[in-house]
Amino acid sequence: DAMVIQNPRYQVTQFGKPVTLSCSQTLNHNVMYWYQQKSSQAPKLLFHYYDKDFNNEADTPDNFQSRRPNTSFCFLDIRSPGLGDAAMYLCATSRAWGSFSRQPQHFGDGTRLSIL
Amino acid sequence: DAKTTQPNSMESNEEEPVHLPCNHSTISGTDYIHWYRQLPSQGPEYVIHGLTSNVNNRMASLAIAEDRKSSTLILHRATLRDAAVYYCILHGRGGSNYKLTFGKGTLLTVNP
Repeated sequence: DAMVIQNPRYQVTQFGKPVTLSCSQTLNHNVMYWYQQKSSQAPKLLFHYYDKDFNNEADTPDNFQSRRPNTSFCFLDIRSPGLGDAAMYLCATSRAWGSFSRQPQHFGDGTRLSIL
Repeated sequence: DAKTTQPNSMESNEEEPVHLPCNHSTISGTDYIHWYRQLPSQGPEYVIHGLTSNVNNRMASLAIAEDRKSSTLILHRATLRDAAVYYCILHGRGGSNYKLTFGKGTLLTVNP
């Protein structure tokens, strides 16, 4: 089945130690998103790629960056993780033709990041 | 993005229908109504969406009020696997139409 795959499912890192989360997709969608979901909260968009164009949300901290080397892969880099960055990180994809508002997003199962 | 209001939680019995309400009194004419659900320890899953007419798919039905200020997600026969947080999201054509803005959602509990 075509899908969105996130690795690893669980990641533990140390305070201040850079960490990279990965996402791959077999849907051939041109838009990829990264959301942050803290415990008992709703997912919140960090940024997205429309093809190779990177779009940052205004309130996303500079500590968070992303790379998309090709259509299938997207990475989330956290340069210096703090305790407040412990969360589930969700990758999603969608097609961008017609209106975005008609296109569902397809989510991976997330990577749960813990900070020691 | 226009706001939605959902009950914090609802309870249902297995094999009974479930009607999950959503109010969106400030919806604009071009906003689509999307529903997603999130099972425990999983990413959100698309359920259904619509604009004006009622919609059916293999997972659920979406009933949209004539004035579009409210909608109801209908699960025809709840199973234990339907226990999840259900999010009603307005997805419009404005400047931020690329993103989903999640509210608090409704936590659905299904009793055996």
